[in-house]
Amino acid sequence: DGGITQSPKYLFRKEGQNVTLSCEQNLNHDAMYWYRQDPGQGLRLIYYSQIVNDFQKGDIAEGYSVSREKKESFPLTVTSAQKNPTAFYLCASSRRLAGINNEQFFGPGTRLTVL
Amino acid sequence: KQEVTQIPAALSVPEGENLVLNCSFTDSAIYNLQWFRQDPGKGLTSLLLIQSSQREQTSGRLNASLDKSSGRSTLYIAASQPGDSATYLCAASYSGGGADGLTFGKGTHLIIQP
Repeated sequence: DGGITQSPKYLFRKEGQNVTLSCEQNLNHDAMYWYRQDPGQGLRLIYYSQIVNDFQKGDIAEGYSVSREKKESFPLTVTSAQKNPTAFYLCASSRRLAGINNEQFFGPGTRLTVL
Repeated sequence: KQEVTQIPAALSVPEGENLVLNCSFTDSAIYNLQWFRQDPGKGLTSLLLIQSSQREQTSGRLNASLDKSSGRSTLYIAASQPGDSATYLCAASYSGGGADGLTFGKGTHLIIQP
């Protein structure tokens, strides 16, 4: 089956710890994205990557880091510098061709809770 | 700043009714608009994508329209069913054909009463 997988589904972190959320896609998409979802605030863009070894900050990148060493993988690290990390994190991917629909497809999400 | 707004925030209707969900956006330089469905605790499922050059898209009982001049999109659901109960999100892409992120509305929480 083609799709996007995220792991783990639930993650608990103590204050001061860094944690890494996994995102893998087998859709052969060039572009990948990380969003954060909080109750009543909708989804906000954290980071995105249009191609391997390149990524750009989104609207709320502070306290997060990413890497894009492989086309199919885009892990997100939530660092201790993120002041309010408890949220639902969603990964997405899309093709990247000029003039073509860039329909985004989403993974099932990871719920991060800081204890 | 580009913003996407969805009204109402919540809607409850009896089964079988036709209904319309509204989405407005502040910048007419939109590249495309995408409608999603989200079930509680789950990821987003793409329903329809409308390019800026299109007026509408249809998939089964769903029809989405786009009016760039007025900054509005609507999602029409025909003959609603209890299984349609979910949160519906619209999101706009402002990139010029690249692959930048989407700007999301806060969603409409829809309940279809059996």
